[in-house]
Amino acid sequence: GAVVSQHPSWVICKSGTSVKIECRSLDFQATTMFWYRQFPKQSLMLMATSNEGSKATYEQGVEKDKFLINHASLTLSTLTVTSAHPEDSSFYICSARPRAGTDTQYFGPGTRLTVL
Amino acid sequence: LAKTTQPISMDSYEGQEVNITCSHNNIATNDYITWYQQFPSQGPRFIIQGYKTKVTNEVASLFIPADRKSSTLSLPRVSLSDTAVYYCLVGDGPMDSSYKLIFGSGTRLLVRP
Repeated sequence: GAVVSQHPSWVICKSGTSVKIECRSLDFQATTMFWYRQFPKQSLMLMATSNEGSKATYEQGVEKDKFLINHASLTLSTLTVTSAHPEDSSFYICSARPRAGTDTQYFGPGTRLTVL
Repeated sequence: LAKTTQPISMDSYEGQEVNITCSHNNIATNDYITWYQQFPSQGPRFIIQGYKTKVTNEVASLFIPADRKSSTLSLPRVSLSDTAVYYCLVGDGPMDSSYKLIFGSGTRLLVRP
């Protein structure tokens, strides 16, 4: 149980294009989903927290207009990297939490974004 | 800011027991302590979670002293496949929809033959 999927697992795009990454909780409903970014040899950095049906809360220094997050249902959140540039190349990981009142999060397998 | 401090790296050999200690001096009363394992180019995998004393599951044990200011993840008889980064996390914020996990640097464990 508690499986989180991400799609795509990797994507290569040209500079200036937008890329959408999906995060799904497959066997549970997630009231909250989180998006992280990880650069090589570094730890995960929390980008934003999204609650179903409300606007995402972004961490300091993360551009909300650059990284659009939509959490339209209890099983799906999407991250859109708008007008991607090479410096946006990174490993993007989502996680989902079954419900408020617990702190257990289940992570997706990650999406490798390469911007040329 | 991360609320935890761990050794940056550790080396071990196959078959040995590995203990990774994490400091969390400012842990809040309602915080649980959770450990994750991450392999390269994969998402973190839940290992174990505890609140106090000792917790054991099929892969690890977690020891938490009474003051809860630290915790120790114990991996019995490690194998080469246990080479990974291990993260110790405590929560950040009230236990509601704003609760989030902030990752520290993690401990890079290398298991040698």
